[in-house]
Amino acid sequence: GAVVSQHPSWVICKSGTSVKIECRSLDFQATTMFWYRQFPKQSLMLMATSNEGSKATYEQGVEKDKFLINHASLTLSTLTVTSAHPEDSSFYICSARDPQTDYEQYFGPGTRLTVT
Amino acid sequence: GQNIDQPTEMTATEGAIVQINCTYQTSGFNGLFWYQQHAGEAPTFLSYNVLDGLEEKGRFSSFLSRSKGYSYLLLKELQMKDSASYLCVFMDSNYQLIWGAGTKLIIKP
Repeated sequence: GAVVSQHPSWVICKSGTSVKIECRSLDFQATTMFWYRQFPKQSLMLMATSNEGSKATYEQGVEKDKFLINHASLTLSTLTVTSAHPEDSSFYICSARDPQTDYEQYFGPGTRLTVT
Repeated sequence: GQNIDQPTEMTATEGAIVQINCTYQTSGFNGLFWYQQHAGEAPTFLSYNVLDGLEEKGRFSSFLSRSKGYSYLLLKELQMKDSASYLCVFMDSNYQLIWGAGTKLIIKP
């Protein structure tokens, strides 16, 4: 199947700093990528849908000025957590939709963010 | 509204069979997925059903009844590595995934 990578796999940062997470589709072009957040023992929550070359669509309750998403190419989307706070500590997962298989999303391995 | 309901936790014995049920209410439907998620890892795709009936894939099978808003995941010949959370997910009319909270499956020797 298709492969999606994320970098970094884990990061620790100080409160008030910004962190960038990269999501890449390695062997297919993804016109649409999704960013999820998962708190311990909870289900994945969709944060935003990222379409190549246009602005991301954010879910209700997600601050677009805090979680900056850029989908500059068909294989790369980035999520920047700005002015991070301890409550932003979470598991962030991206997924990408392969246009050739409309329904299936391929997930990256996730990035564990800890804000101290 | 849209809602997914699945048991929080189940326990089964190695080598046995277990069925994880899922019921959903949705105003639009474009398919139902099952994902497996090991602790600290991203979900991995198991199955996709869009038509009624049973889809078999090795030790795993998934069933869908759209009229009843019901699906189940059947795992046979359980192995210790099957200990994980199993997520019932449906795709709504906008092709977005709506995630259930997951069923934590504990396999005992």
